[in-house]
Amino acid sequence: GAVVSQHPSWVICKSGTSVKIECRSLDFQATTMFWYRQFPKQSLMLMATSNEGSKATYEQGVEKDKFLINHASLTLSTLTVTSAHPEDSSFYICSARKLRTQETQYFGPGTRLLVL
Amino acid sequence: DAKTTQPNSMESNEEEPVHLPCNHSTISGTDYIHWYRQLPSQGPEYVIHGLTSNVNNRMASLAIAEDRKSSTLILHRATLRDAAVYYCILRDDGGSQGNLIFGKGTKLSVKP
Repeated sequence: GAVVSQHPSWVICKSGTSVKIECRSLDFQATTMFWYRQFPKQSLMLMATSNEGSKATYEQGVEKDKFLINHASLTLSTLTVTSAHPEDSSFYICSARKLRTQETQYFGPGTRLLVL
Repeated sequence: DAKTTQPNSMESNEEEPVHLPCNHSTISGTDYIHWYRQLPSQGPEYVIHGLTSNVNNRMASLAIAEDRKSSTLILHRATLRDAAVYYCILRDDGGSQGNLIFGKGTKLSVKP
């Protein structure tokens, strides 16, 4: 099966610092990766869609300068939360998909971010 | 993407079948019906998807109404490990992005 990993699995940081989260497709090439955020007892909210080698497409209300996404290779996408604040504390989940839009999306295990 | 409606929660007994309903009355011709589930503190896991015909795999079955305005995910024998939030999602597989937009899902509890 297709496996997606995330690193780190959890992170605690001080307010004002930046945090980078990595998302890797381990056994397939992912031309498209997605980033989601999930607050406690809520559903997943799509933040942005990134295609390899191009700029990410952000959903309405998501600040692109605060959530920097880089999809530099077919197996790696990174999300950097810049100048993190306590309200950014959340569960961040990535997913990856192969070439065609009809392909199944495979999700990573998530990264729990706590900003103090 | 068209919206779906699911019950907030359902309960089942272990080793009994579970039928999880989903209404999607505004589904379009190119929308596929996808089901994912999310166990606590984990990322979502793909369960099954279909377009018009009923589908079976090792995890579950998907029964799609003839008018496609509703569908039912069937777990044939629930186990404690099946306790999760189940999401029914419509995805336009003919679209350029094929995003998955999650609703609130159904929280399934399984009693021993």
